[in-house]
Amino acid sequence: NAGVMQNPRHLVRRRGQEARLRCSPMKGHSHVYWYRQLPEEGLKFMVYLQKENIIDESGMPKERFSAEFPKEGPSILRIQQVVRGDSAAYFCASSPGQPGTSTDTQYFGPGTRLTVL
Amino acid sequence: AQRVTQPEKLLSVFKGAPVELKCNYSYSGSPELFWYVQYSRQRLQLLLRHISRESIKGFTADLNKGETSFHLKKPFAQEEDSAMYYCALTTSGTYKYIFGTGTRLKVLA
Repeated sequence: NAGVMQNPRHLVRRRGQEARLRCSPMKGHSHVYWYRQLPEEGLKFMVYLQKENIIDESGMPKERFSAEFPKEGPSILRIQQVVRGDSAAYFCASSPGQPGTSTDTQYFGPGTRLTVL
Repeated sequence: AQRVTQPEKLLSVFKGAPVELKCNYSYSGSPELFWYVQYSRQRLQLLLRHISRESIKGFTADLNKGETSFHLKKPFAQEEDSAMYYCALTTSGTYKYIFGTGTRLKVLA
C-alpha cells in the first residue's frame, strides 16, 4: 500500500488562475479529509468527504473553494481565481472507518505546496 | 471553541536527556487527543493516541483532564527523535482534527 498520494507536490499559479489539487486515498479508505497549513500555523480542517458525498465543509471558505470525491478517481480540491492568501500547504488524509470508531485514524499525504504569484 | 496550544515552537535537548513536549487544549466535553510526528522530508504520521494508552518509540502521553493537558514525554531523547511534533484533538461526533502549531524538537549530540 503506497499510502496517501497527493499531486502535484508543488503548484505555482498566478492570481486569477485555477488550482486543482489531487488526493488518492489509501486502498480501502473511503473517508477523505483536506487540511490547509498557512506558514507558522497548524493544520486547519477544511472538508470531510466520503465517496460521492461532502459530509462537512465547515472549514472551507464559502467562495472559490470546492471539493469532490467521485466514485472513481481521486478526491479533488479546487480553488478558483486564486489570490496570494491562498498560498499554503494543502494536506489530504484518509481513513478506513467512520470518525469516532476504532478505524478512524487519519493517514496523511505528503501535501501540495501552492504558491500564488 | 476547541483549541490546541503548543507553547514551544522549538525545544532543544541533549541526547539522553528527558523530553517533554507540552500540549494544552480547551474543550468542555470528552476529547480524543493525538500526537503526530513529521520527520524531515517525510509525511505526517500518527505517533500515539490517548485511548490506546501505549508507548511508541519510548514516548508516552497522559491525558490530564484537570489540567487539560496531553504532554508528550520520553525519558531519554535520541537523535532520531528530532522532528516536528503536532498535538491534535477531535471530539465525539465531529470529523475535524484540530491541530496545534507544532513544536520542533532538536536532539543534540
